[in-house]
Amino acid sequence: QKEVEQNSGPLSVPEGAIASLNCTYSDRGSQSFFWYRQYSGKSPELIMSIYSNGDKEDGRFTAQLNKASQYVSLLIRDSQPSDSATYLCAVMDSSYKLIFGSGTRLLVRP
Amino acid sequence: SAVISQKPSRDICQRGTSLTIQCQVDSQVTMMFWYRQQPGQSLTLIATANQGSEATYESGFVIDKFPISRPNLTFSTLTVSNMSPEDSSIYLCSVGVGGNADTQYFGPGTRLTVL
Repeated sequence: QKEVEQNSGPLSVPEGAIASLNCTYSDRGSQSFFWYRQYSGKSPELIMSIYSNGDKEDGRFTAQLNKASQYVSLLIRDSQPSDSATYLCAVMDSSYKLIFGSGTRLLVRP
Repeated sequence: SAVISQKPSRDICQRGTSLTIQCQVDSQVTMMFWYRQQPGQSLTLIATANQGSEATYESGFVIDKFPISRPNLTFSTLTVSNMSPEDSSIYLCSVGVGGNADTQYFGPGTRLTVL
């Protein structure tokens, strides 16, 4: 059973702080990794993809990948109340299927 | 990315009936997928909609319950058949884009309530 694990949260951070979201996966053959943001009542929105070990930055978002440790993370700098949402980690397995974690709920306190 | 629409956006249905959900994308895509998101849960892949052939279903999902059509590269339908309250969920279509079609974008979803 291929799994993607996330802490369900909620993760509560003050406005302006760095939010750190973590994800582990079980399929060592995975090559593509994604972070989606889902607001309540809305569909998932792709915010980051990462394919190689290391960091990838896009604006206030940084995705980090460590394939040896089977670990993916998302850092959100200067967190805003509008960042409050559920963040879904998704991993494409070796058969090209996207496996989702259960999501981490982030609350950014004004 | 891709612009994806789904119809209906929501519906309330009686048990034993069927509902067909439509998914339309603004460009031709090879890969289209159907997911279910039950209340408070994450996304579960139902099936991959293959153009010109039968859909590929995931474990726990069968064609008789969730028939899928994919008549062309921009359109797909998912039917939820003989519905029960346990089918109450959000149904989402997604499309795969990029070199390996490994980047998926989601439609707005269909919120289904079965009474």
